[in-house]
Amino acid sequence: AQKVTQAQTEISVVEKEDVTLDCVYETRDTTYYLFWYKQPPSGELVFLIRRNSFDEQNEISGRYSWNFQKSTSSFNFTITASQVVDSAVYFCALSSKTGANNLFFGTGTRLTVIP
Amino acid sequence: SAVISQKPSRDICQRGTSLTIQCQVDSQVTMMFWYRQQPGQSLTLIATANQGSEATYESGFVIDKFPISRPNLTFSTLTVSNMSPEDSSIYLCSVIRDYYNEQFFGPGTRLTVL
Repeated sequence: AQKVTQAQTEISVVEKEDVTLDCVYETRDTTYYLFWYKQPPSGELVFLIRRNSFDEQNEISGRYSWNFQKSTSSFNFTITASQVVDSAVYFCALSSKTGANNLFFGTGTRLTVIP
Repeated sequence: SAVISQKPSRDICQRGTSLTIQCQVDSQVTMMFWYRQQPGQSLTLIATANQGSEATYESGFVIDKFPISRPNLTFSTLTVSNMSPEDSSIYLCSVIRDYYNEQFFGPGTRLTVL
């Protein structure tokens, strides 16, 4: 069975602080994909990153970085020097079948960046 | 990425009526999905829309309640039938363009049932 846990329901930080959003996943598949999505107040889901299970390299994109560790089944997301525009709900998701399939979403973490 | 549009963007409906939501993609895609996001909740997959055949429904969702069509590789509809207030949710269409598994979402349809 696939499962994604985002233990942090809500986080508040002051602007310019760094913040890490945690994601822990469970799957029995050896091939799987992990995702992060951002859902701002407008409601649209914005794709941030996809990671496959064979690539444990950490990734950095501007102020965003992701730490994938198979040993702990975690795929954490860090925002450096947070900004008010980062305020949103962030979802971690898992897809466990190659050839594309449905996403199992975590419950999301609501991030509020206080100016 | 893919440009995905949904119609309507929002609607308020009466109990017992049905609403059809459209999802249009700017180019052919491999797979299309429909998700539901209940207020304050995460996303749950309703079904995979299969081109030219019946949709594949997830546990807890049935065709009589959520009929889905996908007549071609760029378009799909989801109907929410015989609505009740519990159906009040955001309904999102998503697509996968290729087998790299990057799934992109439409802007969603915010449905309120009175």
